[in-house]
Amino acid sequence: NAGVTQTPKFQVLKTGQSMTLQCAQDMNHEYMSWYRQDPGMGLRLIHYSVGAGITDQGEVPNGYNVSRSTTEDFPLRLLSAAPSQTSVYFCASSQASGYNEQFFGPGTRLTVL
Amino acid sequence: GEDVEQSLFLSVREGDSSVINCTYTDSSSTYLYWYKQEPGAGLQLLTYIFSNMDMKQDQRLTVLLNKKDKHLSLRIADTQTGDSAIYFCAVSPHGSGNTGKLIFGQGTTLQVKP
Repeated sequence: NAGVTQTPKFQVLKTGQSMTLQCAQDMNHEYMSWYRQDPGMGLRLIHYSVGAGITDQGEVPNGYNVSRSTTEDFPLRLLSAAPSQTSVYFCASSQASGYNEQFFGPGTRLTVL
Repeated sequence: GEDVEQSLFLSVREGDSSVINCTYTDSSSTYLYWYKQEPGAGLQLLTYIFSNMDMKQDQRLTVLLNKKDKHLSLRIADTQTGDSAIYFCAVSPHGSGNTGKLIFGQGTTLQVKP
């Protein structure tokens, strides 16, 4: 199993540009989430999904869109990038049972100029 | 909403014990977690504790849960330089049911000096 994969690893955008961060998992997990990590603020939940076709907002959803057309994929779209979206983005997945261990991808480091 | 607080930095000598503390506001979490992040990597689950337990031991790790004070701690015995990392406390927020949602603390950077 590859686990949770994210692409790209690094990205530089100009203000106003759009892009999609890709996330895929091969563990047949129902739950998938997107977090952003900023210094001194820990991880904050952007959006999450409890299954294909179902998504919901987390703590900091503004400026981001998600969709979940398949169990495996959960892309995060930045509609019009802003410098405040400079961050490290992590995708995670977990099963819908037990203690819900979340498996994290390696992260995408995004810089918005 | 749910709030999870941690101190940002802890420095210990190799061989000493490390204690990382966490406080949270919502007592309805079923599970409480400790995740570890090594430089340049994603987070990995280190250990967890079920809310009806007071203590859980796993080799060098001891988790203590004080539900009355809403306080969670992680003790690492015989700390090694390889334990240098960021440690995150996480809880399931109230009303999240079984959705996999987690609220994370700010993370504690553990520095282990030789």
